Formats: sequence, structure tokens, C-alpha cells
Amino acid sequence: DTAVSQTPKYLVTQMGNDKSIKCEQNLGHDTMYWYKQDSKKFLKIMFSYNNKELIINETVPNRFSPKSPDKAHLNLHINSLELGDSAVYFCASSFRTVNTGELFFGEGSRLTVL
Amino acid sequence: ILNVEQSPQSLHVQEGDSTNFTCSFPSSNFYALHWYRWETAKSPEALFVMTLNGDEKKKGRISATLNTKEGYSYLYIKGSQPEDSATYLCAQKNTDKLIFGTGTRLQVFP
Repeated sequence: DTAVSQTPKYLVTQMGNDKSIKCEQNLGHDTMYWYKQDSKKFLKIMFSYNNKELIINETVPNRFSPKSPDKAHLNLHINSLELGDSAVYFCASSFRTVNTGELFFGEGSRLTVL
Repeated sequence: ILNVEQSPQSLHVQEGDSTNFTCSFPSSNFYALHWYRWETAKSPEALFVMTLNGDEKKKGRISATLNTKEGYSYLYIKGSQPEDSATYLCAQKNTDKLIFGTGTRLQVFP
């Protein structure tokens, strides 16, 4: 069983479209994250949710809207896609209150905006 | 602003060589230091999480040390093998955030 699963794995779309990436974890973690891997392969945090509540929002354009229906799911919706949104997006989960809690990552969703 | 720096950016070694890389981080407001191994076309996987100054962790041929007072951690690989080829990321936990460094890309040639 995959611990953190993201769908879709690949997404190719036109500028201006709206798209969503879904993430689910079956590890019983209370915190989920979205990271963006930029063009320099750098992992940058975008959002974090703890028990369905937003706890980190890292100056991401408001075209990006995360939604957490429950603590096992964190979806990322992107409106009016731009060329610069092309990247690999990684979902991750952990236990928030445990300093030693490592992150478990999904396999990434590669978004290409044409 | 939290800056986590890693060096070198990339490293090429021969099979059997031992190697090490560095992670530097601000020593203030320290909670934990993570090391991840990231193979191409896969997702990052945790190697170690360290919290105390002087911590040393070991997993097979890979070990790590932590100095929170001066703000650095070393990752060592003894007798590198081609399957060790990957990007090694360190990340500092600061309250709710895990801030990643840019990684050290290791390539081990047979």
C-alpha cells in the first residue's frame, strides 16, 4: 500500500486553465504539506495543514488554493494556470508535534503548462 | 529568514571511496535536523532525524553528526557504492516548517 499517494502523476494543460492535484495519506499523520520543486530542483514549502487547519501559507499566489476535507487528504487547486507554474509538486505528511517526525513524500505530480 | 546551505553542490566519486558533505543552518530556534536521500524519479526518503547537539546516527555505511551550537551537520558515506548515487537533502525544522537545503548530488562510478 502506498503511504502517500498523489494523482495525477503527470498533468499537461493550457495556460489559463484550472486544475487540481489530489493527495491522500494512510499513515495516520495529522499534518500534510505541499512542496514545489522549482527549476533549480529546490524543494520549497507552499502550504501545510494540521488536522484540516491551515498552519503555513508561504506567500503563494492566491491562484493556489489548498483544500483539506479531512486530515488524510490535502488537495491543491490551481486557477488560471501560468507558464511559471510548471514544476513538480510534492505532497508530504508527518506528525506535527513530534520534532523527530520525518516527512513521508508522495511520488510527485509533474505539471506542464503550455 | 531561514537559510539551509549544503556543500558541495555535486560530487563524483569512485566505487569504494568514502565521502562526506556538509549542511549549514542557522543555530537559533533549532528544533531538528533531517537528512533525506532522493533518487532520480523517486520521492525523498528520510535517512536521519537528529535533535540534540552532538547527536550521531548511523544506518549501514551512512552516518551523520550534528553540531547545533555552530550550526552544521555532516553526512558520511563509507565505501560508496553505485546504488548510493542520489541527491542528499538536509532540512532544518523550525516550529512548523521543514526548510530544505539545495542538496548535494552524489554520483558513484563503478
